[in-house]
Amino acid sequence: EVRLVESGGGLVQPGGSLRLSCEASGFTFISYWMHWVRQTPGKGPEWVSRINSDGSMTTYADSVKGRFIISRDNGKNTMDLQMNSLRAEDTAVYYCVRDNDAFDIWGQGTMVAVSS
Amino acid sequence: AIQLTQSPSSLSASVGDRITITCRASEGISRALAWYQQRPGKAPRLLIYDASNLEIGVPARFSGSGSGTDFTLTISSLQPEDFATYYCQQFNTYPPGYSFGQGTKLEIK
Repeated sequence: EVRLVESGGGLVQPGGSLRLSCEASGFTFISYWMHWVRQTPGKGPEWVSRINSDGSMTTYADSVKGRFIISRDNGKNTMDLQMNSLRAEDTAVYYCVRDNDAFDIWGQGTMVAVSS
Repeated sequence: AIQLTQSPSSLSASVGDRITITCRASEGISRALAWYQQRPGKAPRLLIYDASNLEIGVPARFSGSGSGTDFTLTISSLQPEDFATYYCQQFNTYPPGYSFGQGTKLEIK
């Protein structure tokens, strides 16, 4: 079964850091670009970041550029999102997503809440 | 950045109805558009990619059309499990563009 499982979400104070992880199974992880997408309740999804198949190229939305770092370990079939200098507006469910010329596989999401 | 505008924002319909949701891009995106269905508390599910290609496992009552700036998602005969929120998304690798529409909530009449 093709599967993505996120972990690492939680409650953090403004200015704090959090590291999300995504574990992939059931497909050849190294063959796919991967993304993080977030969603605030009642709003549409927002693309956050992407990483190419070998990890050599990363891209970020302007809203997180300079604060978030995406990475992957193809030997462990995992992808991470290091989130620094967190703000209240970063509060959302964060999804790990596979790129197959569309976002064809999504994880179940992990909730990040930024609040004092 | 390219903006996507969906209409309507909400829609009431009955089982068996045919419905259409539209998505307009602020500039031309060729056929680089996808449609997703999202049920409450769940992740989005890919329905249509490249404007009109049906994802494997998606029922044939779903169809997509359009190119350039105007796109549509049609459900030919609504089933109870189709009542959900639908999003369009532009999908461009270079330059990166993955913005979503604001969503259309489909409710039972």
